[in-house]
Amino acid sequence: QSALTQPASVSGSPGQSITISCTGTSSDVGRYSHVSWYQQHPAKAPKLVIYDVFNRPSGVSNRFSASKSGNTASLTISGLQAEDEAEYYCGSYTSNITWEFGGGTKLTVL
Amino acid sequence: QVQLVESGGGLVKPGGSLRLSCAVSGFTLSDYYMSWIRQAPGQGLEWVSYISSSGFTIYYADSVKGRFTISRDNAKNSLYLQLNSLRAEDTAVYYCVRVAGLYDFDYWGQGTLVTVSS
Repeated sequence: QSALTQPASVSGSPGQSITISCTGTSSDVGRYSHVSWYQQHPAKAPKLVIYDVFNRPSGVSNRFSASKSGNTASLTISGLQAEDEAEYYCGSYTSNITWEFGGGTKLTVL
Repeated sequence: QVQLVESGGGLVKPGGSLRLSCAVSGFTLSDYYMSWIRQAPGQGLEWVSYISSSGFTIYYADSVKGRFTISRDNAKNSLYLQLNSLRAEDTAVYYCVRVAGLYDFDYWGQGTLVTVSS
């Protein structure tokens, strides 16, 4: 069982927006701004798409945005495209000097 | 461009050992903290270990503490993970990962599969 809770799946049609939630505790997501999001296509390594709650690495589409409120972080993908179909993981630094991940959310583009 | 290439995975019996290596290029290893993260087949991500740029600060997940050892050789542009007393639940793809700043994982290798089975 993963420390951070994500929905198992979300779906949306091309052009629509979706939001994936990531719920932790006051010892991780709620305490630190070190929340990140990773995209993983099948049989590929994860790719960082958001770091420090809402920052996008160079080269990541501005269709990806994120935020945090209390113990819950959220990733929003707008203008859905077929290439966005993938597994998405949230991650957070914790007060135990460890890192935790969510169980992953499978995004299906209908 | 940044590249991280893991090697050393394979099939090992319970109780056995393996040493994973990660050869990096496209950046100066001594400038970055590094980490190992694993993913069991069909499962999510699990952080394993973390090492500072100098190698003096090291952290482990409780699940591997006392069995795994992380190390680095900046002169050889290499990161290592020694896996001892392996268990079936250690079966996973092990990723070598660069740490952005101190807390985020910005570049990942392609992974090396470790299978623990009799």
